[in-house]
Amino acid sequence: AQSVSQHNHHVILSEAASLELGCNYSYGGTVNLFWYVQYPGQHLQLLLKYFSGDPLVKGIKGFEAEFIKSKFSFNLRKPSVQWSDTAEYFCALLGSNYQLIWGAGTKLIIKP
Amino acid sequence: ETGVTQSPTHLIKTRGQQVTLRCSSQSGHNTVSWYQQALGQGPQFIFQYYREEENGRGNFPPRFSGLQFPNYSSELNVNALELDDSALYLCASSLGGPGTDTQYFGPGTRLTVL
Repeated sequence: AQSVSQHNHHVILSEAASLELGCNYSYGGTVNLFWYVQYPGQHLQLLLKYFSGDPLVKGIKGFEAEFIKSKFSFNLRKPSVQWSDTAEYFCALLGSNYQLIWGAGTKLIIKP
Repeated sequence: ETGVTQSPTHLIKTRGQQVTLRCSSQSGHNTVSWYQQALGQGPQFIFQYYREEENGRGNFPPRFSGLQFPNYSSELNVNALELDDSALYLCASSLGGPGTDTQYFGPGTRLTVL
């Protein structure tokens, strides 16, 4: 089975707090993983992706994610969040049909 | 901006009607995928087209169909609309072949079925 699960549906943090959003996947093939972000009123946009190589992937706006094969995880991190990081974050897996398989998303609210 | 546009932005239909949603990809992007995103959920894959042929399909009935045109535009058609078809419909295009590159998303079409 191919699936993605995101642990937290809602996260509220204060500015400057550290962030970690969980993502676990189930897939038997070559793993390609993505984090997308959707800011209020905007398109889904790519934050970062893992195709192969270094399991620590750096993305835009100071985000990074670590692929841990043994834990089937691809958690998103940021050391210090800003109010402008308020958005919905989606983890996705490239499936066997070349389709993206998505988690349910995590709504992140940063309190100023 | 991703360079991917969708029309219309919003649409209201009644049960049993048919609808056509449109997407215009970036020039040169020969792969387009369509997704359905219900409220509070992640997107669900409907199907993908590569060089004008369907290349993969998710768990959606045949009344969901699509077309891709040589000018990098595409359509999603839904027949016999049901209330559960109410959702945000997203199209995404990519430069490489299926699965080889990042997908760029449009803003979506919000479909409401009454």
